[in-house]
Amino acid sequence: NAGVTQTPKFRVLKTGQSMTLLCAQDMNHEYMYWYRQDPGMGLRLIHYSVGEGTTAKGEVPDGYNVSRLKKQNFLLGLESAAPSQTSVYFCASKDGAQWPQHFGDGTRLSIL
Amino acid sequence: RKEVEQDPGPFNVPEGATVAFNCTYSNSASQSFFWYRQDCRKEPKLLMSVYSSGNEDGRFTAQLNRASQYISLLIRDSKLSDSATYLCVVNGPGTGGFKTIFGAGTRLFVKA
Repeated sequence: NAGVTQTPKFRVLKTGQSMTLLCAQDMNHEYMYWYRQDPGMGLRLIHYSVGEGTTAKGEVPDGYNVSRLKKQNFLLGLESAAPSQTSVYFCASKDGAQWPQHFGDGTRLSIL
Repeated sequence: RKEVEQDPGPFNVPEGATVAFNCTYSNSASQSFFWYRQDCRKEPKLLMSVYSSGNEDGRFTAQLNRASQYISLLIRDSKLSDSATYLCVVNGPGTGGFKTIFGAGTRLFVKA
């Protein structure tokens, strides 16, 4: 049972490049989330999904897009990467209204 | 004012010491509260939920003070393995539904 798996684990991009981060969960959870974590700040919600085919904006959605075509996968896209998007990205999932959120082990993204 | 505030620390304590962290929140309508633990370069993991009556899990005790809008975490008989960052999480009403806010964390170093 893998739980929440994020790929890739590390990536270095140049400004303006695009990429997609993949989050996969095998717990049949309805809710999935993408966060970013920066030094001195709490986890900030980028986008989230409450079910297959649905997405919603979180606290810091600008510059990111998401898709939830399959229940088990939640993709985070950066269309044109900027240095301000250098961060650690965490995906999480949970079973509806139940807690806790289960986190993936993060993606470290550097934009040069 | 941040919606959830924590003393960033670091707290440096010897093994065997008792240490306590507080976390304040601004939304009086907040409904559920949690402590997460995050090890260096790892994902956050749920440590414990915080119940209104207070709750204990081994060496860890969590309490909620709704009147003063804070939660606390007490660690007794600190171990080296307790060294980590402790994140306060507050869940409550927000735009379009529930909102989950993570504190920036309190760093704890337990020394031999």
